[in-house]
Amino acid sequence: SQQGEEDPQALSIQEGENATMNCSYKTSINNLQWYRQNSGRGLVHLILIRSNEREKHSGRLRVTLDTSKKSSSLLITASRAADTASYFCATDLTGANSKLTFGKGITLSVRP
Amino acid sequence: DAGVIQSPRHEVTEMGQEVTLRCKPISGHNSLFWYRQTMMRGLELLIYFNNNVPIDDSGMPEDRFSAKMPNASFSTLKIQPSEPRDSAVYFCASSYGSGETQYFGPGTRLLVL
Repeated sequence: SQQGEEDPQALSIQEGENATMNCSYKTSINNLQWYRQNSGRGLVHLILIRSNEREKHSGRLRVTLDTSKKSSSLLITASRAADTASYFCATDLTGANSKLTFGKGITLSVRP
Repeated sequence: DAGVIQSPRHEVTEMGQEVTLRCKPISGHNSLFWYRQTMMRGLELLIYFNNNVPIDDSGMPEDRFSAKMPNASFSTLKIQPSEPRDSAVYFCASSYGSGETQYFGPGTRLLVL
């Protein structure tokens, strides 16, 4: 099964509301990353949080990491129509030859 | 920096033909990744290279797929012969360190008829 699983699969909110997306994983990680993908485009890196960090901010984005629960959340505050996209979490597993493992993604729709 | 460059951006071919996708990573990056994305299967890692050496090709679907990285600034993904089920968007990404932030190219949209 997927290492990183996002929840919910789809989210629809009104502009101005906050959007919260969750990611759970199964094994130890070095870091966890969130990416955004607009329709027809490549993925764009949003934020990276390392295993020894609990929270990071970047503009309207807030990411938390709970290694005891093996979960992370991405909060987008004051959402805008331009935030409409798919969001992916990716985990860098501990061990040799680490690589990112991506989840299936969350589709976020922000209604104007 | 121009970012990761992929070519072609779109490719339409007939079943049985050879397809070659190209990627130029960001200068200075030492890890390169090839992904395939479809609605059904999501984003799949096909193969990745560290310092031009293939590290993990377990995601390559079958022998019809091959990838090379002859130098630090160029990689190819070849499908021979192509089949309709290979239709997908193929992304190349690069990073400095295999577990660090990846920078994706715009993708190649492949349609095999």
